[in-house]
Amino acid sequence: DAGITQSPRHKVTETGTPVTLRCHQTENHRYMYWYRQDPGHGLRLIHYSYGVKDTDKGEVSDGYSVSRSKTEDFLLTLESATSSQTSVYFCAIMGGDEQFFGPGTRLTVL
Amino acid sequence: GQQLNQSPQSMFIQEGEDVSMNCTSSSIFNTWLWYKQEPGEGPVLLIALYKAGELTSNGRLTAQFGITRKDSFLNISASIPSDVGIYFCAGLSFQTNAGKSTFGDGTTLTVKP
Repeated sequence: DAGITQSPRHKVTETGTPVTLRCHQTENHRYMYWYRQDPGHGLRLIHYSYGVKDTDKGEVSDGYSVSRSKTEDFLLTLESATSSQTSVYFCAIMGGDEQFFGPGTRLTVL
Repeated sequence: GQQLNQSPQSMFIQEGEDVSMNCTSSSIFNTWLWYKQEPGEGPVLLIALYKAGELTSNGRLTAQFGITRKDSFLNISASIPSDVGIYFCAGLSFQTNAGKSTFGDGTTLTVKP
């Protein structure tokens, strides 16, 4: 157990509404990541953080923003959700040279 | 961006058989990671490889870091039904700000009793 939790675990929302997903870690690790997983695409990096208030874009960052005001929390926000953002979202932390994943959030945008 | 080619895409095997899967890339990585994912869960780290040529085992699993640093292999010996899942490789490179992983698209393993 890598000490990562995600909330909510499931969410259904409507197109155009804002959505915030939370990742919480108890490991005090510096690096945190948000990925999305879609059939046939594996895991794709959305945004990552290398410290409090320090974030950067991944390969599929359009339509997403993040914030990290505390070491333990990394928030992913969809300002105006679209159906193409229906996916499973995973948070991850980096401990040494190894990356550990949370249990995921299944988001459905209707 | 960096691309990983993972193969095969899926495998259907009999219990007791050995399994091999691999990932190749046009880019060099500092670290190779292998994960297993079961339905409804996040990927779980199986093996981490840190040096070119390194061969590492974890029970019935053996993985190798290719000497060119552009590929990696995972073998599962004497498969059992609980080996079923999706196996992902990931190449990790440390860039300016943080370690960033590139993932393969996964190998779906089905084991028939």
